[in-house]
Amino acid sequence: DQQVKQNSPSLSVQEGRISILNCDYTNSMFDYFLWYKKYPAEGPTFLISISSIKDKNEDGRFTVFLNKSAKHLSLHIVPSQPGDSAVYFCAASEGSNYKLTFGKGTLLTVNP
Amino acid sequence: EAQVTQNPRYLITVTGKKLTVTCSQNMNHEYMSWYRQDPGLGLRQIYYSMNVEVTDKGDVPEGYKVSRKEKRNFPLILESPSPNQTSLYFCASSPGFGGELFFGEGSRLTVL
Repeated sequence: DQQVKQNSPSLSVQEGRISILNCDYTNSMFDYFLWYKKYPAEGPTFLISISSIKDKNEDGRFTVFLNKSAKHLSLHIVPSQPGDSAVYFCAASEGSNYKLTFGKGTLLTVNP
Repeated sequence: EAQVTQNPRYLITVTGKKLTVTCSQNMNHEYMSWYRQDPGLGLRQIYYSMNVEVTDKGDVPEGYKVSRKEKRNFPLILESPSPNQTSLYFCASSPGFGGELFFGEGSRLTVL
């Protein structure tokens, strides 16, 4: 049973526009959520996180929104840049459990 | 430079030939973990360790062993590799709960 779902395998946007990547989860015990970015031939790198006590967290061009009632989070990138082209993984953990559960990833392509 | 180092980065082996993928981190992190990435399946956790001599199974532990004799090292052992273990493997470490994971660059393993 997939507890973290990224239903869009890929997304293509124009440079300067907004990119919105979506993630849904089924485990109501998840209370910490993270986004990772992965370039080819590199390991994933941490991008931004949000605790369940918040509904929004912002870091520069990146904002994560959390809707607990819908068990949904989204990552907004504004404005999108060609260097943002990568695979984005959503991940979640529960309580004091160190274990992260990852989604399958969304390939974002930002076209110049 | 803070990093997670995996070796080898690339390996082609044959079924049944024992191999070890080493992982070392220089950040004094307590938590370390192994993931495998497969097309369409995202990142799946194999094993994790919350501290020296403390290890536990992740989602896909079958066919793998780990050990954590020192804080900095967390080797992944394939006692008798099979073709279904052909994958891209990532080691990661974290200072603890809520801290983001720091990933190595990955080890691409092919089992013939």
